[in-house]
Amino acid sequence: AAGVIQSPRHLIKEKRETATLKCYPIPRHDTVYWYQQGPGQDPQFLISFYEKMQSDKGSIPDRFSAQQFSDYHSELNMSSLELGDSALYFCASSLGTATFYEQYFGPGTRLTVT
Amino acid sequence: DAKTTQPPSMDCAEGRAANLPCNHSTISGNEYVYWYRQIHSQGPQYIIHGLKNNETNEMASLIITEDRKSSTLILPHATLRDTAVYYCIVPLYNQGGKLIFGQGTELSVKP
Repeated sequence: AAGVIQSPRHLIKEKRETATLKCYPIPRHDTVYWYQQGPGQDPQFLISFYEKMQSDKGSIPDRFSAQQFSDYHSELNMSSLELGDSALYFCASSLGTATFYEQYFGPGTRLTVT
Repeated sequence: DAKTTQPPSMDCAEGRAANLPCNHSTISGNEYVYWYRQIHSQGPQYIIHGLKNNETNEMASLIITEDRKSSTLILPHATLRDTAVYYCIVPLYNQGGKLIFGQGTELSVKP
């Protein structure tokens, strides 16, 4: 079965650079969630989209922005990168925002900021 | 999310059943109980979810108490590949479905 695709899988950037992470949801899934997992920490919710509109926002820095496109893929744009942004970034997709829909996660993008 | 409480770690012998408990005493009537697991640095993996009734799928069984204040995830025949952090999560109803990951249970399956 098709899974959530994230690209790139690994990314190395320097401080103050920008990065773009991409997420391709499971076919027919219209909802995308982004999570950040720092070293030794649990995943933390950043932002979500339903039908191309932002549906919820967590502790996402103002330096980060995201959107969902007409084909339902999503991109997380990160500017003025800081060392503390080094983390695993996971994308998850689901059939909707209702809590009876489970989320399926991608393999993640490991971002390293030097 | 309704606050959940899980033991920080558990051990299980390979081939035996692993029973992972979770307390969610403040759960509301329309909130689901979800279980996910994360094998080291991989994306969290959905396991199972339920509202009131016990549920079973190819991966696990979920037993929810009648008062819904606690639940148990059962892996019937644990293998070494089941070694992971297991998260019990109760997403808030009508809050967009986001998952709030708290301290999970680190399950170690040993030969």
